[in-house]
Parts: sequence; structure tokens; C-alpha cells
Amino acid sequence: GEDVEQSLFLSVREGDSSVINCTYTDSSSTYLYWYKQEPGAGLQLLTYIFSNMDMKQDQRLTVLLNKKDKHLSLRIADTQTGDSAIYFCAEGSGNTGKLIFGQGTTLQVKP
Amino acid sequence: EAGVAQSPRYKIIEKRQSVAFWCNPISGHATLYWYQQILGQGPKLLIQFQNNGVVDDSQLPKDRFSAERLKGVDSTLKIQPAKLEDSAVYLCASSLDGGTQYFGPGTRLLVL
Repeated sequence: GEDVEQSLFLSVREGDSSVINCTYTDSSSTYLYWYKQEPGAGLQLLTYIFSNMDMKQDQRLTVLLNKKDKHLSLRIADTQTGDSAIYFCAEGSGNTGKLIFGQGTTLQVKP
Repeated sequence: EAGVAQSPRYKIIEKRQSVAFWCNPISGHATLYWYQQILGQGPKLLIQFQNNGVVDDSQLPKDRFSAERLKGVDSTLKIQPAKLEDSAVYLCASSLDGGTQYFGPGTRLLVL
């Protein structure tokens, strides 16, 4: 069945790079997404990648996709304290575009 | 462009009571989704509408949950009667036509 797995916690120092990893199971996923959730807030779309791409860069964010291994990663360059949040990986499943989310990775940025 | 609107933001009820949540999607978005996010987990789809028709409600507990989108714009999700395990954040999202989804701020429900 469809499943998305993420590590639960990552701690980095301000100014370092953060790398959040995700694995998924549905090889037919067309798009893969990264969302950010701050405390008490909804989900903010950060970026997404089409399944026929290997990499996408958007300012401080770099998404890498290894379709063979069904592995997705999000790299945040020059991580700031404002980046502290929960990051969710999601795959767009099937023809309806239904999203299957991982359990989220809590990113803690230490000053 | 206004985002997805949801109300109320918070709700506390006792078990066996009823509750309703409202969502107004981004203008022009045909597809509307309701997700349930239990603490410490990722969101899980409850129901998906395309205009005023249901596309997917396979994960909706139909014995107690219902949802409607009568005019193909805003939507209401109802729980009757509520159980303790329904305590969660209920997120509404919309997309133009099944594409990238944009989320509202959510309604935090606590069932006592």
C-alpha cells in the first residue's frame, strides 16, 4: 500500500545546512511535495518536484529525488531559527491527486 | 489572493456532542479536501470533492462523519456524535483541479 516514512527529529546549528529525508512507496506518484507546519498553524507549501526530475532548487531549498530508490530529500541552506518547524513530505497518489503524508520531521535550529 | 479560510479555529466539546466545521476554498478552486491530523502524525485524507461531487470518501467514518459542498464552493464537515479519538486538527485544502493543494489554518478540536 501507500506509505511515506520520515525521520522524526533533526537538530542543527544556525547557519548550517539541514537535510530532511523521506522514502515513499507509490512508484506512480506524479508529484512529491514538501510542506512546513509551524506551531498552531496549517501547512505551508514549500516546494514540489515532478517525478521525472532529479533535482529542483528554489532559493535556499534544494530537493533531490532518487526515483529508483523512492527517496526524496529537502536541503535547507544557511538554516535560520525561523526555519524551526515540522516538515512533511507527501506524495501525490493516483489520478485524484490525494496526498499521502509522512509523519513529519521536527527541525530544531539552535542559535 | 485570499487563502483557504476555516472556522472556528478552536472547538472544545464533550463526547457524544455534535460539531461542525466550515471551509471556504481559494476562489476558483474546484477541488476541496478535508484532512484529519492527529497529534504527532501527518494529515490523513477524509474526503475529497470535485465541485459539488464526492471523488473519494473511502477514509471517512460514515457512521459519525458527514461532509457536504452543496454549491461547489464552501464546505461543511460534521461529526455526530463525537468520540474522544476525534480530537485532532481538521485541515481543509483546495486545488485548482486536483493539482497542488493549499491548506487553511485548521480547526483544533478537543473532545472531553
